[in-house]
Amino acid sequence: QSVLTQPPSVSGAPGQRVTISCSGSSSNIGAGYDVHWYQHLPGATPKLLIYGNNNRPSGVPDRFSGSKSGTSASLAITGLQPEDEADYYCQSYDISVSGSVFGGGTKLTVL
Amino acid sequence: QVQLVQSGAEVKKPGSSVKVSCKTSGGTFNSYSFSWVRQAPGQGLEWMGGIIPVFHTTNYAQKFQGRVTFTADESTSTAYMELSGLRSEDTAVYHCARSRSNLYFEDWGQGTLVTVSS
Repeated sequence: QSVLTQPPSVSGAPGQRVTISCSGSSSNIGAGYDVHWYQHLPGATPKLLIYGNNNRPSGVPDRFSGSKSGTSASLAITGLQPEDEADYYCQSYDISVSGSVFGGGTKLTVL
Repeated sequence: QVQLVQSGAEVKKPGSSVKVSCKTSGGTFNSYSFSWVRQAPGQGLEWMGGIIPVFHTTNYAQKFQGRVTFTADESTSTAYMELSGLRSEDTAVYHCARSRSNLYFEDWGQGTLVTVSS
């Protein structure tokens, strides 16, 4: 089991909005550590999508946004496009393991 | 242009070791930390640990303590990951990932498939 918990899958139709949750605990997200999100397209390398809870690297569309509250975080994708179909991972720091931890990943299917 | 280019796929016997390289270009090597992240077949991303070359410090995930060694060669801008005592469960794609903040991973290598099989 991953330290950060994500739903295994989410889906949505083109143009719709979806959210992916990332649930942590008092030793990671709840301790104030930032959450970061990665997009892993099939056959590609993981790509940083959101850093510091809600910041987008240059080149990432503003359709992608992040938020954090308490021991959880969320990634929202608006205006779903077929090319958004990928695996999405959250990542944070955990003081109990003194290192980075990932969520188990969420597979987004665009219907 | 930022590039992290990893060494090629490896097939190893159980009990042996593997060393994967990650040659970087773009940016100053010692301005970054390097982590190693693996993905077993059908599984998610797993952080193995990292190295901060400028301080010569390493941080290994507890799961890999004693079996993994990270090194870095500033002269060739290359980071290395060596994993010993290989078992079938170590079959995975191993990625190097570069970070300026040591908090999140801005750039990733293409991945190296390591297959452990007798």
